[in-house]
Amino acid sequence: AQSVTQLDSQVPVFEEAPVELRCNYSSSVSVYLFWYVQYPNQGLQLLLKYLSGSTLVESINGFEAEFNKSQTSFHLRKPSVHISDTAEYFCAVSSVFSGGYNKLIFGAGTRLAVHP
Amino acid sequence: DAGVTQSPTHLIKTRGQQVTLRCSPKSGHDTVSWYQQALGQGPQFIFQYYEEEERQRGNFPDRFSGHQFPNYSSELNVNALLLGDSALYLCASSHRTGANTEAFFGQGTRLTVV
Repeated sequence: AQSVTQLDSQVPVFEEAPVELRCNYSSSVSVYLFWYVQYPNQGLQLLLKYLSGSTLVESINGFEAEFNKSQTSFHLRKPSVHISDTAEYFCAVSSVFSGGYNKLIFGAGTRLAVHP
Repeated sequence: DAGVTQSPTHLIKTRGQQVTLRCSPKSGHDTVSWYQQALGQGPQFIFQYYEEEERQRGNFPDRFSGHQFPNYSSELNVNALLLGDSALYLCASSHRTGANTEAFFGQGTRLTVV
């Protein structure tokens, strides 16, 4: 069975500093990876996704993630964070079951706290 | 496009009661999945509906059941509520197009069992 491990439950960082949120997944033949963000009292919003092609994927708000097959990792990075980036971040892998249907398997989440 | 909408946003129930949560998928989507997110944890897959049938189920007891209507909207029912059922319940909609399909999530329903 596929699984996702987020190595840090909490990451405190000062504003304008760089940040990396770590994610490792269990190996599979085909891997589709996602990062979702959850602001307080809200649902999940897709931040970025890796489906195929370039191993470096970017979001519109400055985040990027790199798919590393040999290390089975999909770490999320941002060179300079803002207070507004404070949120819970979830890494997820898409698991396909019979019939072609899929479900998302999530990590436990990493709480990013940006301090002034 | 209103996106995925869920109702109600908050709910308080007593142990042993039954609850129904509702979800309307994003326009054009035909597949609805439900997830349970306990406090401090990542979402856990409950089940998925497509063409009004349950297609896959996660590790949840039969107290959790669902339904999908012809207009693709969906309900999640939980019977004999336990304190441990307190969680944020998230609905996600998508197209049944395989593992690379993108799921859109609603704001969730916060269920508190007392």
